[in-house]
Amino acid sequence: EAGVAQSPRYKIIEKRQSVAFWCNPISGHATLYWYQQILGQGPKLLIQFQNNGVVDDSQLPKDRFSAERLKGVDSTLKIQPAKLEDSAVYLCASSWTDRRGGNTIYFGEGSWLTVV
Amino acid sequence: KQEVTQIPAALSVPEGENLVLNCSFTDSAIYNLQWFRQDPGKGLTSLLLIQSSQREQTSGRLNASLDKSSGRSTLYIAASQPGDSATYLCAVKGNYGQNFVFGPGTRLSVLP
Repeated sequence: EAGVAQSPRYKIIEKRQSVAFWCNPISGHATLYWYQQILGQGPKLLIQFQNNGVVDDSQLPKDRFSAERLKGVDSTLKIQPAKLEDSAVYLCASSWTDRRGGNTIYFGEGSWLTVV
Repeated sequence: KQEVTQIPAALSVPEGENLVLNCSFTDSAIYNLQWFRQDPGKGLTSLLLIQSSQREQTSGRLNASLDKSSGRSTLYIAASQPGDSATYLCAVKGNYGQNFVFGPGTRLSVLP
């Protein structure tokens, strides 16, 4: 079974530029998550999709971050304009779960962003 | 607001030792708790998932326990190996639809 795929793996951009990350979840997984992980910290949820609808985006900085999941499969996360503090790993994850999240979450390897 | 802490932040042990990693959470109204492993430069791999009605879960050399009333979970690793070296994170999901809240992790080094 293929895992969660993410690209690009690494990206270096200057502040105020824009960047986009792509995620392809495990086939059949209805729920997709984007997490931000700053070095030395645990992941923080940015947004959760159930199929192509947003379940939770309470911690997404909506003035600069946006995400979409067209057709309930692939997803993109965009940052525009980037700030230095956005330097982090952006992890995509998926699960079979219903909204209550009773099942295991599978993570991709992450997209490493450095803003200079 | 749920807060999750993990102690110690880092741990070094010689190969073969049994060890315990700790996870504490402030709100006991949890739906489940999950332990993850993260290797350098990689994503997270789920190790064990404990539902709120369960007291423990086992997988191979790993055993995770849950005590909701005290807001604690432990991950026990038996007969540690150098390949166990990684960061171990716990994550708690609330009872009211809240998403997982992660701890900062414990960085484990098992020395050959």
